[in-house]
Amino acid sequence: GDSVTQMEGPVTLSEEAFLTINCTYTATGYPSLFWYVQYPGEGLQLLLKATKADDKGSNKGFEATYRKETTSFHLEKGSVQVSDSAVYFCALSASASGAGSYQLTFGKGTKLSVIP
Amino acid sequence: SQTIHQWPATLVQPVGSPLSLECTVEGTSNPNLYWYRQAAGRGLQLLFYSVGIGQISSEVPQNLSASRPQDRQFILSSKKLLLSDSGFYLCAWNLFGVHTEAFFGQGTRLTVV
Repeated sequence: GDSVTQMEGPVTLSEEAFLTINCTYTATGYPSLFWYVQYPGEGLQLLLKATKADDKGSNKGFEATYRKETTSFHLEKGSVQVSDSAVYFCALSASASGAGSYQLTFGKGTKLSVIP
Repeated sequence: SQTIHQWPATLVQPVGSPLSLECTVEGTSNPNLYWYRQAAGRGLQLLFYSVGIGQISSEVPQNLSASRPQDRQFILSSKKLLLSDSGFYLCAWNLFGVHTEAFFGQGTRLTVV
């Protein structure tokens, strides 16, 4: 079945440091890829997405490129801020066989803490 | 614009008591609806999804059930809660299509004591 593997956390960085959170996936067909962010006590919010190979999603200084050859979708940000402290989830969307819907499969999440 | 409402935000229930969590979506029609559970230190586990009224698919065997009595209403239930049912429950919706992202409610923190 489909799966998403992302780096184990927690990750602790100083403000203005460079961030990379690795994400790799296995899926049949041509999934769409997503990064979601979850702030404490809240639901998930879409951070960025990419729908085909070599697409780059970007938002709020975060970027991720859909790499089909390495089945990866690593999240990067050049200079993190304290307000970026949250849990980040990598996810893919693929067809659910026989169901007529597309299911999101999530990684386990990576907790990021940014210290001043 | 579309919004999703999920309640209650927090719930403390004794073992063996029933459960009912409700989720409603506004501003769209015929959404796909989902219930996820997030256990402490673990990722998101898909519990149920629904592509239409009365159509429920279960991803894992468990002590929970789901129902969709109306197009934009999704209910998570249990007849008798277990300690292991504690967790953070998230409702989500999206529209049909591989490229469409899901939108999440604010979640319900359930503690079974």
